[in-house]
Amino acid sequence: GAVVSQHPSWVICKSGTSVKIECRSLDFQATTMFWYRQFPKQSLMLMATSNEGSKATYEQGVEKDKFLINHASLTLSTLTVTSAHPEDSSFYICSKTGGFDEQFFGPGTRLTVL
Amino acid sequence: LAKTTQPISMDSYEGQEVNITCSHNNIATNDYITWYQQFPSQGPRFIIQGYKTKVTNEVASLFIPADRKSSTLSLPRVSLSDTAVYYCLVGDVGSTSYGKLTFGQGTILTVHP
Repeated sequence: GAVVSQHPSWVICKSGTSVKIECRSLDFQATTMFWYRQFPKQSLMLMATSNEGSKATYEQGVEKDKFLINHASLTLSTLTVTSAHPEDSSFYICSKTGGFDEQFFGPGTRLTVL
Repeated sequence: LAKTTQPISMDSYEGQEVNITCSHNNIATNDYITWYQQFPSQGPRFIIQGYKTKVTNEVASLFIPADRKSSTLSLPRVSLSDTAVYYCLVGDVGSTSYGKLTFGQGTILTVHP
């Protein structure tokens, strides 16, 4: 069964609004989770590392004030896209590391900004 | 992280064996090779991981030559449901930054009836 869930699976919003995406670890605690973005017909690109109880670390070129990450509990990380614009429309995927070093990915969240 | 190179796309037919080769010339001593599968509008799914020689599980085999500069994912008797994008990644699983994966372009496998 799934070990990482995401909510919502898809969301449509108006330009300028903020959208929150939840990523939950279902089987055991995850002190570190990862957020990726995938544009159509492109590969996944790492956005940031979410650390429980501390600030997220962002990859170069990712605006931390636009993509707010909160890892307030050992099983939940949230990504908030603030003041979303059409160019933020993408497929957002979170992941965590499993016990045998494999990465477990969530099902993804499709964001469409009108 | 070691850079990987894969064919952009491959075509096959149901029941055939498919071999997808990945080149990783600058693989480091501590690096493992991991393959993921991704269906449209879904997150990637772990397929198999190996360090050297051959690894086999219930869905695939992974062949790694002695120099480890390449690897081949082998999918036996593919079906239409194996149509997906396959990614080869290389990294040090013991590193604290291992989860920060760098995905290449992947290989689009299309299985035809």
